[in-house]
Order: sequence, then C-alpha cells, then structure tokens
Amino acid sequence: NAGVTQTPKFRVLKTGQSMTLLCAQDMNHEYMYWYRQDPGMGLRLIHYSVGEGTTAKGEVPDGYNVSRLKKQNFLLGLESAAPSQTSVYFCASRWGGGVGEQFFGPGTRLTVL
Amino acid sequence: AQKITQTQPGMFVQEKEAVTLDCTYDTSDQSYGLFWYKQPSSGEMIFLIYQGSYDEQNATEGRYSLNFQKARKSANLVISASQLGDSAMYFCAMRELLPQGGSQGNLIFGKGTKLSVKP
Repeated sequence: NAGVTQTPKFRVLKTGQSMTLLCAQDMNHEYMYWYRQDPGMGLRLIHYSVGEGTTAKGEVPDGYNVSRLKKQNFLLGLESAAPSQTSVYFCASRWGGGVGEQFFGPGTRLTVL
Repeated sequence: AQKITQTQPGMFVQEKEAVTLDCTYDTSDQSYGLFWYKQPSSGEMIFLIYQGSYDEQNATEGRYSLNFQKARKSANLVISASQLGDSAMYFCAMRELLPQGGSQGNLIFGKGTKLSVKP
C-alpha cells in the first residue's frame, strides 16, 4: 500500500516548456487534489476532482490543466511554464465519507528558469 | 467565505515543555471540521488531529490536543512534552461538513507556523 505517490520528485524547466505531473493513489479514494506551496503562502488549491472523469477549478487554476481519466490517477499539466510557476506541488486524496482528512503525496519541486 | 488565520509565523519551545499553536477561523457554516497537519523539513504533509464543530469534547491524539473554543472561533493545537522531532511547520485547515454526515467542499489552509524545539 503505497498511499499517494507523485512523479517526478524534482524537475527543472525552461520558460515555455510543457510538462505533466502524475499523481497516483491506491486507496480507492474518490476525491483528488492538486496544491501548490509557496513560501509564506501556505497551500493553495489549483484543481480538484470529485470522481473519475470530473475536474474543477480551485483557487489558483490559471496556467494549469488537469485530467482524471482513471480513478487512481490525477494529472497536472503545465502547457507553457512560467517562472511564477516555480513552486512545490502536492497531490492529495480522500474518500468521500467521514470527516475527510486528506492524504498527501511527497511533493514535486518544480523550478522554471 | 471561510478563512483560517495563524498569527504566529514562528515559535520556539524548550524540549519537554508544552507549546500552543494558535489558529482562528471564520465561517458562517454551522457544521464544519478543523484539521491540523505537520510538515517536517522533509516536506511531507502529515495529518495530526481533527475536531468537528459539534464535538463536545476537545480532540486528543497522543501528545496532541486541540483546544477548541467555538464561541471564539479558535482551534489551537497543544503539543505536550515537546520533542526535537516536533520541529516542523504546522498548518491549520477547515472544511464544511454535511449535516447528515460526511464532508463536502475543500480544505482551506492557514499560512502555517514554524515550530522550533530547542534542546
């Protein structure tokens, strides 16, 4: 039981390049989330999904796209990376019942030059 | 709109002493849940403790307890007998709960408090 995993752990991009971050969970959770964490800003929600095939915008969605083709995977895409997207990205998941604590992946540190 | 405020950017505590990390929240919902997460220097986010708005007793989990004062809209985390491994960032978060059970909506996070435990 790996929990929530993220690929890659580190990445350096040049401005204008594209990339996809992969999040996978093996807990059969319905909900999945992508956050970014910047110094002094806490965690801010980028996009989220309440189930397979569904996605929705969070607090800071501009410049990002997501897809949830399979229940266990949630992909975050940057079509044209900008230095402002330099951040640590966290994926999280939770099941739909109970109090809904989220389980987080280890994070991806992205630098855009 | 819901909001979480953590007013202490950084805190120091002597090893083996207790420390309180402040969290205040703003919501018009009657039913909500409050969470605390720990983020050590390694970066992962670790769920610590949960308090429901209708829970009559303060939540406890080992050395962690939540001092919940609903009228004051505060949900402070108390760590007893601090250990060096408690040095980390701590985040308070909130989510709306459904009256019939279950949860909806997204977690709203505070900006965090960096706790440093001195030997």
